Amino acid sequence: GAVVSQHPSWVICKSGTSVKIECRSLDFQATTMFWYRQFPKQSLMLMATSNEGSKATYEQGVEKDKFLINHASLTLSTLTVTSAHPEDSSFYICSAYTGQYNSPLHFGNGTRLTVT
Amino acid sequence: KNEVEQSPQNLTAQEGEFITINCSYSVGISALHWLQQHPGGGIVSLFMLSSGKKKHGRLIATINIQEKHSSLHITASHPRDSAVYICAVGGGGGADGLTFGKGTHLIIQP
Repeated sequence: GAVVSQHPSWVICKSGTSVKIECRSLDFQATTMFWYRQFPKQSLMLMATSNEGSKATYEQGVEKDKFLINHASLTLSTLTVTSAHPEDSSFYICSAYTGQYNSPLHFGNGTRLTVT
Repeated sequence: KNEVEQSPQNLTAQEGEFITINCSYSVGISALHWLQQHPGGGIVSLFMLSSGKKKHGRLIATINIQEKHSSLHITASHPRDSAVYICAVGGGGGADGLTFGKGTHLIIQP
């Protein structure tokens, strides 16, 4: 089945630094990738929709200058958390869509970010 | 914006019991997903439904579009079924970002 690889699985960084998270579709081309965030004991929340070769679409309340998304190829999207703060500590997970209508979503294993 | 409600939030059952998790949503959709999230956080897509019923092994998912309601059933539950089960809705059969329920934390005791 389709596999989505997300890296790193966990990262600890200092406040003020930037962290890049990668999401790769390993055996299919993903026209669209989604980035979600999950705080402890909360539901997943869509942050942004990333389409290959175009700018990402951000959900209301998500700062595009803070969460930089790049989808430069059909198999790779990256999320960079810039100038991270402790309140950015969360679980970030990506999912990928093949572009075939009614095809299921495939999720990465997520990245647990801790900002100290 | 779609509101997705799941019940129960927490469920503890004995091995072998029949499990039902419910999901209701407020706005008409073209697809509903049932997802399984394990303690490490990874998410597996169990079902995508637009109508009727689907079965995969011991898992059954149903959806009633008119009533805006879906159920996930687990037959002959097993401790390895312990996980968080999440209902998510989205239009476009996957092309749109999903709106998630808060999840049902299921524990199956041996």
